[in-house]
Amino acid sequence: GQNIDQPTEMTATEGAIVQINCTYQTSGFNGLFWYQQHAGEAPTFLSYNVLDGLEEKGRFSSFLSRSKGYSYLLLKELQMKDSASYLCAVTGGFKTIFGAGTRLFVKA
Amino acid sequence: SAVISQKPSRDICQRGTSLTIQCQVDSQVTMMFWYRQQPGQSLTLIATANQGSEATYESGFVIDKFPISRPNLTFSTLTVSNMSPEDSSIYLCSVDQAERRQYFGPGTRLLVL
Repeated sequence: GQNIDQPTEMTATEGAIVQINCTYQTSGFNGLFWYQQHAGEAPTFLSYNVLDGLEEKGRFSSFLSRSKGYSYLLLKELQMKDSASYLCAVTGGFKTIFGAGTRLFVKA
Repeated sequence: SAVISQKPSRDICQRGTSLTIQCQVDSQVTMMFWYRQQPGQSLTLIATANQGSEATYESGFVIDKFPISRPNLTFSTLTVSNMSPEDSSIYLCSVDQAERRQYFGPGTRLLVL
């Protein structure tokens, strides 16, 4: 079957670093994505990994290990506006499967 | 990146009625996707809409309940038929562009009474 697991909620402090983990089992793999979704809004693209390793984009980095079916999203220098849900998604073929999302609360 | 609009942005409907949601993209795209996001949950793919062919539905979703049209490469509609309170959800259309990253419309918030 297809399954994407990520923690339900996390809390972190402004200015800190937080790592959101994602494990997946899917029938196909063309890439792993992270999306950010603020309450009441549509998801927006954050990052994409197709090869093993770390992709860095400003304060956000994403890591992928295909052999382990594992990814993480790293957020540095947290800001209050980073409070949102972070969705891990895997694309296989033409379809994208989304995890349930991790709600991140950033506190002052 | 594609710019996607949806209409209506929200609606409150009576049980047993139907609602058609429109999705417009500012560029021609091959595939459009319809998702449902129930309160507090992640996105579930309803179907993939290709121009010129029938939509491909995911397990648990059927054409009689969620008929889809795709008359051209920039537009699609999703109808939620014979609604019940369990259909209350956010419905999102999306397209994929480079590397299959998804761009989402703003969503349609549906409440069924």
